Amino acid sequence: DTEVTQTPKHLVMGMTNKKSLKCEQHMGHRAMYWYKQKAKKPPELMFVYSYEKLSINESVPSRFSPECPNSSLLNLHLHALQPEDSALYLCASSLREVRESSGANVLTFGAGSRLTVL
Amino acid sequence: GENVEQHPSTLSVQEGDSAVIKCTYSDSASNYFPWYKQELGKRPQLIIDIRSNVGEKKDQRIAVTLNKTAKHFSLHITETQPEDSAVYFCAASILGNDMRFGAGTRLTVKP
Repeated sequence: DTEVTQTPKHLVMGMTNKKSLKCEQHMGHRAMYWYKQKAKKPPELMFVYSYEKLSINESVPSRFSPECPNSSLLNLHLHALQPEDSALYLCASSLREVRESSGANVLTFGAGSRLTVL
Repeated sequence: GENVEQHPSTLSVQEGDSAVIKCTYSDSASNYFPWYKQELGKRPQLIIDIRSNVGEKKDQRIAVTLNKTAKHFSLHITETQPEDSAVYFCAASILGNDMRFGAGTRLTVKP
């Protein structure tokens, strides 16, 4: 299995809803990431988990809550979102923890979850 | 933090011509520079990468050059084909898991 799988592909939610995005990989990767991508913009780093521990939080609002239940799964819990949070949310994974990889850390991206907040 | 600038934002070439996309980075500690291709509605995919201890790397029609002194790196695509049309992102990383992307270049290859 050489893929990162994201569900759902599309999600429409109201500002008062609670929903979750899910990401799964079975490549033995030990680092997992959430990126946010607005239309015609580059991916923006949100969170990084390394060995199932949160290692980077790019000052993301608390209405986004990441969770890494195990080395294969990464969730993004969504609550009280705003319309401007509508975007493509990309999950990615890479083989090993940064300091073991001498700076080279190939990311494998999932297909993304397209979120629309009404 | 790292800041990556990418130019041009759009690039149109005739099939068979070469295309060059340039990026600059701000932090001299950056040591890993990948390039991603993103077709419309699809995920970004790595096409080539280079580490800071190497000045140039080539893979068939694609090459990347790195100038550490000037803090810039470039993507070169030769003999372009219509299927090369996509958005290309450069990125730079200091620690490896802190990838910052450039703004992207929309490449159009006209048949």
